Amino acid sequence: AQKVTQAQTEISVVEKEDVTLDCVYETRDTTYYLFWYKQPPSGELVFLIRRNSFDEQNEISGRYSWNFQKSTSSFNFTITASQVVDSAVYFCALPGGGGSEKLVFGKGTKLTVNP
Amino acid sequence: DGGITQSPKYLFRKEGQNVTLSCEQNLNHDAMYWYRQDPGQGLRLIYYSQIVNDFQKGDIAEGYSVSREKKESFPLTVTSAQKNPTAFYLCASSIAGTVNYGYTFGSGTRLTVV
Repeated sequence: AQKVTQAQTEISVVEKEDVTLDCVYETRDTTYYLFWYKQPPSGELVFLIRRNSFDEQNEISGRYSWNFQKSTSSFNFTITASQVVDSAVYFCALPGGGGSEKLVFGKGTKLTVNP
Repeated sequence: DGGITQSPKYLFRKEGQNVTLSCEQNLNHDAMYWYRQDPGQGLRLIYYSQIVNDFQKGDIAEGYSVSREKKESFPLTVTSAQKNPTAFYLCASSIAGTVNYGYTFGSGTRLTVV
């Protein structure tokens, strides 16, 4: 069955620190996509990245970077030089598998960046 | 601007009452979804619909009902049978009915039973 585990429930850092959010997944599919979403205090989930399992290159977007390692079934997310505006709940997700039209989400990691 | 509109943002319900949460999208997406979010529980799928007049139960459908009479609209009714309805409800939609493109989310409705 498809499963996403975000073992870190809450993380608290001081502004300008680097922080890594872990995501470990289980899937029965040979090809799949992985996602990260950000949920700020306003509540709406904001799409951050989609990664195809064929592409194991790390991705960098500004202060954000993602490390995908198929061998360990991990898709970790790093924020460099964190800012207060990065405070949010972050979710990792993957499709339900087997043609399922739903996303399966981890339980989320609440990140608090203190000034 | 295209997007998903959920209303109301906050909703209070007395025990034993049914209540309907609205979700409207102007993205021309085929598929729409309802998720429930509880503290520490992540997002759990209630119902989803890939096409008008058709919908499927998700993981926690008991006590909920939906309809999909129009492509743009996917209202969720929380019935009195739902034993613990206080939660944050998120509506989402996706392109062409394929989840591999990910979702666009609405801003959510926070339901409180009083």
